[in-house]
Amino acid sequence: QQQVKQSPQSLIVQKGGISIINCAYENTAFDYFPWYQQFPGKGPALLIAIRPDVSEKKEGRFTISFNKSAKQFSLHIMDSQPGDSATYFCAAVLQGGSEKLVFGKGTKLTVNP
Amino acid sequence: GAGVSQSPRYKVAKRGQDVALRCDPISGHVSLFWYQQALGQGPEFLTYFQNEAQLDKSGLPSDRFFAERPEGSVSTLKIQRTQQEDSAVYLCASSLGRAYIGETQYFGPGTRLLVL
Repeated sequence: QQQVKQSPQSLIVQKGGISIINCAYENTAFDYFPWYQQFPGKGPALLIAIRPDVSEKKEGRFTISFNKSAKQFSLHIMDSQPGDSATYFCAAVLQGGSEKLVFGKGTKLTVNP
Repeated sequence: GAGVSQSPRYKVAKRGQDVALRCDPISGHVSLFWYQQALGQGPEFLTYFQNEAQLDKSGLPSDRFFAERPEGSVSTLKIQRTQQEDSAVYLCASSLGRAYIGETQYFGPGTRLLVL
């Protein structure tokens, strides 16, 4: 059972454009939502994260928008650069659990020069 | 070391062989996680240690999978009688502790296992 649904599966944008990746969840017990970036041959690395009591969080060119009532959250990458080309995973953590990450299936982002 | 290290980086096994995958977490990190990442998929949780205690093994797919962290530092994931469906990248992650929800997990580069 996929607990975190992510879309699109792949995304191509031009340099300078905005990349938007969406995720949705069902379990309201999730209370922490990180985004991870993974380059080929590397492990995932934390990019940015949000708690459900906040509707938006911005760090540099990366912004998370969170809609608690809709149980949806999204990652926006402003001024996308070729170096942003990677696979992005949204994830969720259950309150009171073992803090294991529940990942979406990933979005492969390609930023063309 | 500066980060989480895993060895070997690549492992080819014949079906039915046993394999052992090693994880060296960041020094001083209390929590250690193992994840399995199939090709083109997101990582899936296997098991979690807090120091030497295995607190959650709900993600281990079968009794052929076994993990240990006897001294609360290095961890080993063992897969017995490997099957082709075990082919995946096995990721290890560590975090400082349970100080707060959502503590950052730092991932190693993974071990790519191919079972022929």
